[in-house]
Amino acid sequence: DVKVTQSSRYLVKRTGEKVFLECVQDMDHENMFWYRQDPGLGLRLIYFSYDVKMKEKGDIPEGYSVSREKKERFSLILESASTNQTSMYLCASSFPPTTNYNEQFFGPGTRLTVL
Amino acid sequence: QKEVEQDPGPLSVPEGAIVSLNCTYSNSAFQYFMWYRQYSRKGPELLMYTYSSGNKEDGRFTAQVDKSSKYISLFIRDSQPSDSATYLCAMSLSDLEGGTGFQKLVFGTGTRLLVSP
Repeated sequence: DVKVTQSSRYLVKRTGEKVFLECVQDMDHENMFWYRQDPGLGLRLIYFSYDVKMKEKGDIPEGYSVSREKKERFSLILESASTNQTSMYLCASSFPPTTNYNEQFFGPGTRLTVL
Repeated sequence: QKEVEQDPGPLSVPEGAIVSLNCTYSNSAFQYFMWYRQYSRKGPELLMYTYSSGNKEDGRFTAQVDKSSKYISLFIRDSQPSDSATYLCAMSLSDLEGGTGFQKLVFGTGTRLLVSP
């Protein structure tokens, strides 16, 4: 079974803190993604990576950065957390598509609260 | 206007009912259509996907795509309490973007389904 794990299920941080969210996948997937999920807004893509040390901005990258030093690990960094970054953060991974579609596998999510 | 619209629900039905979940979209270039199921406090998992128009059946689940109307549906027959979850539609373009092999998925907001015993 594909397994995508995230370092924390629940996290509470204070405004201005630097926050690291870690994601690890065990299926040798090239692609990894970070989304945030908010009521009424659905899943929105923050950043993705298609290879080690490669990253691309998604739809809402402002206030976030990412790091991918190893193929299995993709980190999301909030340089200075703000209350509007309170959200559910979901990591996903996939192989590059050999056809025009490939499934994304999601982790369980990290619910981050910024006070 | 959002690219993908989905009624948030909640949709409450008795056990055994037929459930219809729907999404509309605005981008006619979408070619791949997916339904993800998300249980409470879990990440989404792929339930079904279809390419272009038509129907696809998998057990009690049927996915339907009508590209002319820009409308997709997921039908659940003989619904069970274990089907209680949030159902997210997602769609993507057919062309690979930027040569990276990445396809951006555009998600609906999700419909929360409650099936009571």
